[in-house]
Amino acid sequence: EVQLMESGGGLVQPGGSLRLSCAASGFTFSNHWMHWVRQVPGKGLVWVSRIYIDGSRISYADSVEGRFTISRDNAKNTLFLHMNSLRVEDTAVYYCARGHDVGYGSDYWGQGTLVTVSS
Amino acid sequence: QSALTQPPSVSGSPGQSVTISCTGTSSDVGGYDRVSWYQQPPGTAPKLMIYDVYNRPSGVPHRFSGSKSGNTAYLIISGVQAEDEADYYCSSHTSTNTYVFGTGTKVTVL
Repeated sequence: EVQLMESGGGLVQPGGSLRLSCAASGFTFSNHWMHWVRQVPGKGLVWVSRIYIDGSRISYADSVEGRFTISRDNAKNTLFLHMNSLRVEDTAVYYCARGHDVGYGSDYWGQGTLVTVSS
Repeated sequence: QSALTQPPSVSGSPGQSVTISCTGTSSDVGGYDRVSWYQQPPGTAPKLMIYDVYNRPSGVPHRFSGSKSGNTAYLIISGVQAEDEADYYCSSHTSTNTYVFGTGTKVTVL
């Protein structure tokens, strides 16, 4: 069974940093693109970043470019999101999601971890 | 990276067809057959319903289908059922190798 489990969320002050993790199991992690998507409670989904199977291709949303860094450890089946210079508007539930085998879309999602940026 | 435009809400009686539109630009929806649709009931993670405009993952009911015309993609629920009540989001790959989601549509079954 495919499982994705995010961790690392919490309360952080504006300007602070946080590292999110996503532990993957039940599939060959190193064969899939991986994504981070966020959602302010009660609002819509916002794509954040994605990373290729070997980390050689990465892209970010304009709103996080230069502040967030996506990475992966294929030996540990884990996806990361390093978040720096956090802003109040980064407050959201952060989901990790698996890229589909053959198409464009994310076919499995974690349950999300809440990041709250507040003084 | 402006969000794709969806209607805030659509509704239908059980058994009726409902259609959700998703309008973008030639740099996203119109430029590629890389549109996906997600269902998100309250308090849950999104679920992939359609990928690459038309394709349905295994396990998704056949009443869900997708199409596209120009810069607008569509999710059609043919014979909506009570369990289909949820928020629905479209998403598209873009010309800058990023993704963009739609504004979301709440489907209500009357």
